[in-house]
Amino acid sequence: EVQLVESGGGLVQPGGSLRLSCVASGFPFDSYAMTWVRQAPGKGLEWVSGISNSGDITYYADSVKGRFTISRDNSKNTLYLQLNSLRAEDTAGYYCAKNWGGFDYWGQGTLVTVSS
Amino acid sequence: EIVMTQSPATLSVSPGERATLSCRASQSVSSNLAWYQQRPGQAPRFLIYGASTRATGIPARFSGSGSGTEFTLTISSLQSEDFAVYYCQQYNNWPRTFGQGTKVEIK
Repeated sequence: EVQLVESGGGLVQPGGSLRLSCVASGFPFDSYAMTWVRQAPGKGLEWVSGISNSGDITYYADSVKGRFTISRDNSKNTLYLQLNSLRAEDTAGYYCAKNWGGFDYWGQGTLVTVSS
Repeated sequence: EIVMTQSPATLSVSPGERATLSCRASQSVSSNLAWYQQRPGQAPRFLIYGASTRATGIPARFSGSGSGTEFTLTISSLQSEDFAVYYCQQYNNWPRTFGQGTKVEIK
């Protein structure tokens, strides 16, 4: 059974940092690209960042480019998202998702709240 | 960036009726189009990929069609569990982009 479990969310002040993690199981993690998607409270889905299966190719939404960094450790079956220079508009639930013809499996999400 | 536009924003349908949701891309995405269902408080659920192929375990009442810039998700006979928000998403180009969603509510 595929499982994706996110962690690392919380309350942070504007300008602060957080690192999100997503632990994967039930599939060969190093064979699949992975993605982060976020959803602000009461809003729609926003693609944030993607990474190739080997980790050598990364992509970012313009809204987070230069502030967020996606990475992965295939030896630990773990996906990361480093969030720096956080803004109020980054407040959202952050989901990790496995890539296959779209995003076929999703975690339950971790909530990031940016507020003073 | 490819802009995905869904219509209508809200669709009011009676149980047992058919629902037809539309998704338009600002430029061609070929058939690289997925649909997701999101119920309140839950993560999105993968429904359709390749514009028309149902994901594993998705009931046959869900069907997708279209290619290029115009796509449709049809739910042939709405069940109570189908009242939710539906999103389309293109995976032809970077950045990946979602539509703004269509809420299917009980009439």
